[in-house]
Amino acid sequence: KQEVTQIPAALSVPEGENLVLNCSFTDSAIYNLQWFRQDPGKGLTSLLLIQSSQREQTSGRLNASLDKSSGRSTLYIAASQPGDSATYLCAVNQLGNQFYFGTGTSLTVIP
Amino acid sequence: GAGVSQSPSNKVTEKGKDVELRCDPISGHTALYWYRQSLGQGLEFLIYFQGNSAPDKSGLPSDRFSAERTGGSVSTLTIQRTQQEDSAVYLCASSLSHTQTQYFGPGTRLLVL
Repeated sequence: KQEVTQIPAALSVPEGENLVLNCSFTDSAIYNLQWFRQDPGKGLTSLLLIQSSQREQTSGRLNASLDKSSGRSTLYIAASQPGDSATYLCAVNQLGNQFYFGTGTSLTVIP
Repeated sequence: GAGVSQSPSNKVTEKGKDVELRCDPISGHTALYWYRQSLGQGLEFLIYFQGNSAPDKSGLPSDRFSAERTGGSVSTLTIQRTQQEDSAVYLCASSLSHTQTQYFGPGTRLLVL
């Protein structure tokens, strides 16, 4: 069974700092990988989707990379802002149509 | 509609009662997913619908859980004889297909007393 791990579990940084969130998965037979953010008491908001044939995707200050062979993805956030504070989740779309989620990284950006 | 909607937003029930949770996906989305998020836990896949195909029920934790999707649109997740461990946030998501971006609803918070 696919296992998705996110490190660190929590991260606190001062405003303006660049940061990297990590996601690793055990089975490389995937369709794609998706990064989400979840605000307290809210549903998930999609940030970036990387197909298995792609190496990276960018949206504004966010850049996600995928190394399928090594089972790793990173989410890079540039020039962090207090509004970036949330829990960030990665999800692997496993062949067979199931999604496996990591337990998330809780990010706090200190003004 | 503008996004995925779920109802009710909150549900408190007594142990042993049945509950129904509703999900309205984005119009035109053929794929629909149900997940469960327990306190401090990651999202747990429950069930997946794709068009008119038979649903993937492999994530349902017990036979007390069932789901339907009528007319390829609205879906209902039913939990029979609820237990306290069923307390969680139940999230629904839809997408154009299983390889595309998932869009999540706000969830239903279920508390079983």
